[in-house]
Amino acid sequence: GDSVTQMEGPVTLSEEACLTINCTYTATGYPSLFWYVQYPGEGLQLLLKATKADDKGSNKGFEATYRKETTSFHLEKGSVQVSDSAVYFCALLATGSGNTGKLIFGQGTTLQVKP
Amino acid sequence: EAGVAQSPRYKIIEKRQSVAFWCNPISGHATLYWYQQILGQGPKLLIQFQNNGVVDDSQLPKDRFSAERLKGVDSTLKIQPAKLEDSAVYLCASSIQRSGNEQYFGPGTRLTVT
Repeated sequence: GDSVTQMEGPVTLSEEACLTINCTYTATGYPSLFWYVQYPGEGLQLLLKATKADDKGSNKGFEATYRKETTSFHLEKGSVQVSDSAVYFCALLATGSGNTGKLIFGQGTTLQVKP
Repeated sequence: EAGVAQSPRYKIIEKRQSVAFWCNPISGHATLYWYQQILGQGPKLLIQFQNNGVVDDSQLPKDRFSAERLKGVDSTLKIQPAKLEDSAVYLCASSIQRSGNEQYFGPGTRLTVT
């Protein structure tokens, strides 16, 4: 079945460091891909998305490119801030026939940014 | 625009007791989802409603979990009887369309079963 694999956390960085969180997926067809973020004590928020190959999603300085050839959707940011400390989830939404709109999530990666 | 509302935010019960969670989706959103998020894991879909009909409940443990969405708006998720392994955060989400391309999540209900 469809699945998402994220790099293990926690990831600890100093402020202004570069961030990459790896995400790969297995799916039938060509799913839409998402990054969700969960700040402490809050619900999941959509960070960015891409719906087809080579699309680049971006928001709040974060970017991710849909790479069909490597089945990847890595999250990147050039300069992280303390306020970026959160748990990040990669997810896919299958788009094949019979799709019901179910999101399939990775296990999450905790990011801690130190001043 | 108001977001997805859930209550209660926290609940502690003993095993074999029953519990119910409530969700009010964003106004106008026809599709409603309940996800279970166990500590250290990503959310897993339990049930999806389109208006007041069930679209997908394939991963709902039907011997103990039930859910309803009367009148196609609010929804209630119930567990009876609860087990220790039901300790998790229960997330409600909604989207305008069944395709689920933009799902908005509530703050969740953290359930602890002792």
